[in-house]
Order: sequence, then C-alpha cells, then structure tokens
Amino acid sequence: EAGVAQSPRYKIIEKRQSVAFWCNPISGHATLYWYQQILGQGPKLLIQFQNNGVVDDSQLPKDRFSAERLKGVDSTLKIQPAKLEDSAVYLCASSFYGGELFFGEGSRLTVL
Amino acid sequence: DQQVKQNSPSLSVQEGRISILNCDYTNSMFDYFLWYKKYPAEGPTFLISISSIKDKNEDGRFTVFLNKSAKHLSLHIVPSQPGDSAVYFCAAPSYNTDKLIFGTGTRLQVFP
Repeated sequence: EAGVAQSPRYKIIEKRQSVAFWCNPISGHATLYWYQQILGQGPKLLIQFQNNGVVDDSQLPKDRFSAERLKGVDSTLKIQPAKLEDSAVYLCASSFYGGELFFGEGSRLTVL
Repeated sequence: DQQVKQNSPSLSVQEGRISILNCDYTNSMFDYFLWYKKYPAEGPTFLISISSIKDKNEDGRFTVFLNKSAKHLSLHIVPSQPGDSAVYFCAAPSYNTDKLIFGTGTRLQVFP
C-alpha cells in the first residue's frame, strides 16, 4: 500500500517569497492534516480536513498560510510571503476518519 | 501552553539495557495517549498507545505505563537496540477531537 506522498522534500527560499507544498494521502483516507514541526519542537497542527471541508484551522496563520483540498484527495499548503520563522518541516498526515495517523516524509523548508 | 511535555531532550543508553522515556501532561481530560517514533528525514510512525482505563500496555519490547494521578506516562524499551535510535514523541488527542497534541520529543541514542 502506498504511503502518504509529499513534495518537494526540500525547499530553500528567501524571506517574502512564496512556496507551495503538495500532499497525496493514502487512498481512501478521508482526513488529512498538515503539521508544522520546528526544530526542537513537536509537530503542531496547522489545519485538518475531512474530505474537502476544513475541520480545524485554528492554528493556521491565515495572513500568510493557506491550504486547500479541492477534490477531497490531495492537498496543497501555501505560504506567501514566507518569514524566517517559517523554517520548519511540514508534515502531511492522513487517517481513515480520525483513526491512526500515517505521516508522510515531510517537506523541509529553509527561509533565508 | 505546553499541554504535553517531554522534559528530557535526549537519552543515551547502551544496547541491551532498558530505555525509559518520560512524558507529562497537564490536561486531566486527556484519555488516550500515543507514542510516535521518528527517524531522520522520515515522518513520525505510530509505535504504541494506551487508554486511560489502563495503566499498562505492552507490545513486544515496548511497554507504556500510565499514572493518571501524576499525569505521567513512560515508554520502556527492553532490551534497547541500535535500531531504536530515533526521536520519540508522546502525543494526546485534544479533548473531544482527534487533533493530536505532541510533546517536544526525546532523542534516544542506543550505542553498542
């Protein structure tokens, strides 16, 4: 069974530039999560989707971050404009209606 | 407000010995806890969980103990193996949701 796919694996940008990350969850998983993991910290939930609807985006910095899951399958997380403190690993995870989470390998962002 | 805390950022253990990783929580409404393991450049993977109706759950070399009165849980790995070297996160679903709140992680190094 294919796992959660994420791309790109690594991205380096300058502050004020924009970046987008893509995630394709495990087939059949209705729930999709984006987590941000800053070095030395645990993953923090940014946004949770159930199918194509947002369940929780309370910790998403909406002035610069946006995410969508238009057809209820893959998802895109965008940051525009990026700040230095956005340097982190962005983890996508999926689950079958809130069961066990399966994480992708993550997208490491460095903002210079 | 760090609701799930792992106060030891790192732990070094000799192969064959016991590894004990600790986790404290502040929210008495948490009723389910999970441990995730993370290798470098990979996403976290689920390791073991425990429900608050139990005080112990065992799976092979891994045992999780829960002390509800102390709001403390621990993960025991016996015997420790070099392949166990990773970062371990404890996590708990936020009350009445499946949003996982992660601790800051403990980096375990098992040396020969």
